[in-house]
Amino acid sequence: EAQVTQNPRYLITVTGKKLTVTCSQNMNHEYMSWYRQDPGLGLRQIYYSMNVEVTDKGDVPEGYKVSRKEKRNFPLILESPSPNQTSLYFCASSPLPPHNSPLHFGNGTRLTVT
Amino acid sequence: GQQVMQIPQYQHVQEGEDFTTYCNSSTTLSNIQWYKQRPGGHPVFLIQLVKSGEVKKQKRLTFQFGEAKKNSSLHITATQTTDVGTYFCAEGGNQFYFGTGTSLTVIP
Repeated sequence: EAQVTQNPRYLITVTGKKLTVTCSQNMNHEYMSWYRQDPGLGLRQIYYSMNVEVTDKGDVPEGYKVSRKEKRNFPLILESPSPNQTSLYFCASSPLPPHNSPLHFGNGTRLTVT
Repeated sequence: GQQVMQIPQYQHVQEGEDFTTYCNSSTTLSNIQWYKQRPGGHPVFLIQLVKSGEVKKQKRLTFQFGEAKKNSSLHITATQTTDVGTYFCAEGGNQFYFGTGTSLTVIP
């Protein structure tokens, strides 16, 4: 089944403790992206990747890192999480940049930083 | 920053009433997409509009792209409880922006 898989679904952590949210897609998509969703703010793009070893900042990249060492994986790394990074995170992928093809989203990761 | 403004933020309707959400941009858009997110779910692609003045229909849903390609709307005729969720417009290039969304509640 074609899908975008994120793990974990829920994560509670403390300030400053490094964490990684994994994202994997099995559709051979070139483009991958991370979004965070907060009430009243919609979906805001954190980082995106056009292909392997190519990553770019989105709207809200501060406090986040990503890597794209393989086409299928696009992990989101929080080196030192803070409470303002408490949010719902979505990974998404598309065959081409999203203005040319629709995004496929993972099921989301709800992160709480205390 | 945010490229498209979406209104209203919330809409409560009685089942059977119509619903419309609007997206507006200060700049000309190359195209616009619409997504639906059910409560507790993830956004799911609905449609893409590309041409000026384009109108597309999916059953009870009608999507429009403005003549100047600066605005778009999604209209649902005779809402049903299955229409509940948040509707987002989205646009951009490699960097892709979503509107703030309209949360639709349908009262049975």
